[in-house]
Amino acid sequence: AQSVTQPDIHITVSEGASLELRCNYSYGATPYLFWYVQSPGQGLQLLLKYFSGDTLVQGIKGFEAEFKRSQSSFNLRKPSVHWSDAAEYFCAVGDKAAGNKLTFGGGTRVLVKP
Amino acid sequence: DTEVTQTPKHLVMGMTNKKSLKCEQHMGHRAMYWYKQKAKKPPELMFVYSYEKLSINESVPSRFSPECPNSSLLNLHLHALQPEDSALYLCASRPEGTSGAWETQYFGPGTRLLVL
Repeated sequence: AQSVTQPDIHITVSEGASLELRCNYSYGATPYLFWYVQSPGQGLQLLLKYFSGDTLVQGIKGFEAEFKRSQSSFNLRKPSVHWSDAAEYFCAVGDKAAGNKLTFGGGTRVLVKP
Repeated sequence: DTEVTQTPKHLVMGMTNKKSLKCEQHMGHRAMYWYKQKAKKPPELMFVYSYEKLSINESVPSRFSPECPNSSLLNLHLHALQPEDSALYLCASRPEGTSGAWETQYFGPGTRLLVL
């Protein structure tokens, strides 16, 4: 069965500093990988996705992620964090054979210091 | 319009009540989902509907009863819930692509449910 691990439960970063969120997955085939962001009390917004092709994926809000098959990782990065980036970030793997079911990692809460 | 709407935003109910959650989308999507998200946890899939038919039930207790009356609307009927069912209930929808390609799920803002 597929699974996703986000090793960091909390990350605190200063505004303007760079951010990297780690994600490791377990999946038997070529994975469909996603990063979603959730602000407090809100639904999930898709930041970016990887299906195939270029392993460096650009998303919205200045985020990017790099797929590394050899490390089973899909880490999310942003060069310069804004206070509005404080939120919960979820990495997910999709199973097309199961109704496009998404399996989420445990999430990483990002706090931004002024 | 890329919006999934959910009503109500908040719901408080007793363990003997019957209530319903509603989800609506007007994007022409033919697949709709219910997820449950406990506090400080990731969302967990409950049900998937494809072309108004239930295609996946993730072993959800029968006190949760989904319904898809038409392609735009998804309901979740609640009866005899337990306090541990208190959570954020998220709805999502996606197109049913004909190319076989993955289609993105769009999430609603959720209904925050408290069971007393």
